[in-house]
Amino acid sequence: GQQLNQSPQSMFIQEGEDVSMNCTSSSIFNTWLWYKQDPGEGPVLLIALYKAGELTSNGRLTAQFGITRKDSFLNISASIPSDVGIYFCAGQDFTDKLIFGTGTRLQVFP
Amino acid sequence: ETGVTQTPRHLVMGMTNKKSLKCEQHLGHNAMYWYKQSAKKPLELMFVYSLEERVENNSVPSRFSPECPNSSHLFLHLHTLQPEDSALYLCASSQDHDSGVSTDTQYFGPGTRLTVL
Repeated sequence: GQQLNQSPQSMFIQEGEDVSMNCTSSSIFNTWLWYKQDPGEGPVLLIALYKAGELTSNGRLTAQFGITRKDSFLNISASIPSDVGIYFCAGQDFTDKLIFGTGTRLQVFP
Repeated sequence: ETGVTQTPRHLVMGMTNKKSLKCEQHLGHNAMYWYKQSAKKPLELMFVYSLEERVENNSVPSRFSPECPNSSHLFLHLHTLQPEDSALYLCASSQDHDSGVSTDTQYFGPGTRLTVL
């Protein structure tokens, strides 16, 4: 089945550093979503992107919908301890099915 | 209560037990979903209900039986599960603007952590 390649799988960074993660697909998506999941909780929507080239911010988070419609990235600036968690990308294809990446596990050290 | 709620949060059951997971959404959405989340695997879509009709069943074994009595409630009935069914089961909802499977942003509940012994 269709898969999203999300990288990196995990990141260990110092508080205050910037973070960047991305997702790529072999096929085109109409929508890109970024979620964060805390331990023992469900994913929480961070940013939704609906147009190729779109750049959207949510506080210290910025995400972009790639021009080719096959990729998206998420940046977190000036990381803080509460940024710890697993970040998932999700893409919606022409069948309207939502496909999730495997997640990026972020650990922030003080 | 706001958003999407799920009960119970944790469930331990034997392979011969029958149990049910409950999901309730308070967002006025018309589509609801069940996902399975296993360690180190992407979220797996199990079932989709749109306007209380099941519109997708992703080759899920019959020991999982969904029920959607109205647009706000979704159940997952469990019967004779296997240890490999242990996972986090997530419910989500969205506002479906078409009659298709999934067209809008999905909001997730906190999940039920299921352990099958």
